[in-house]
Amino acid sequence: GAGVSQSPSNKVTEKGKDVELRCDPISGHTALYWYRQRLGQGLEFLIYFQGNSAPDKSGLPSDRFSAERTGESVSTLTIQRTQQEDSAVYLCASSLTGVNIQYFGAGTRLSVL
Amino acid sequence: AQSVTQLDSQVPVFEEAPVELRCNYSSSVSVYLFWYVQYPNQGLQLLLKYLSGSTLVKGINGFEAEFNKSQTSFHLRKPSVHISDTAEYFCAVSLKTSYDKVIFGPGTSLSVIP
Repeated sequence: GAGVSQSPSNKVTEKGKDVELRCDPISGHTALYWYRQRLGQGLEFLIYFQGNSAPDKSGLPSDRFSAERTGESVSTLTIQRTQQEDSAVYLCASSLTGVNIQYFGAGTRLSVL
Repeated sequence: AQSVTQLDSQVPVFEEAPVELRCNYSSSVSVYLFWYVQYPNQGLQLLLKYLSGSTLVKGINGFEAEFNKSQTSFHLRKPSVHISDTAEYFCAVSLKTSYDKVIFGPGTSLSVIP
């Protein structure tokens, strides 16, 4: 597609369940970012992938959160044993190497009951 | 480390009135500066950017911003707002030496009142 695609757009889960969120970046974009946006809040950096380099995981809030990316393609963000505080919109963005203009997906709205 | 401050969390303004959304940053080295807009239930999209050169930058939808190095500011302005400008606006900064890391401000919610 032409833009960054995220799925699902909405996810409702029960506390303690695992969830997997998917991001399809723009073709050719080497960098991929995950952010968390709680209701009425700004963007909280989670993790960053750049090509085949080791990812920057400095923003992951706990070891329940993990993410993978195969090459320069799809990325998945996994949250294990979800908690109610994990409820938020999870945004994915991709960019080309160089000046960092990020292109965002519409996000996945996660609700943990 | 760099940081971004957006002093106004909410800005209500009447339609066709001018608006200024404030952004200040802290950094000891040169930076790139951005404004992003987020419409309800959508992801963010780039409104404008400052990389170098002219300090007055024009973006989409009639917005412009001015980079002021001495005041470390990058305020966003529009001379006449429209209802469709109602959205969340985020200022962001990245270091020229480490452009991969972008720091976003907390956002300003602009509400245009008819």
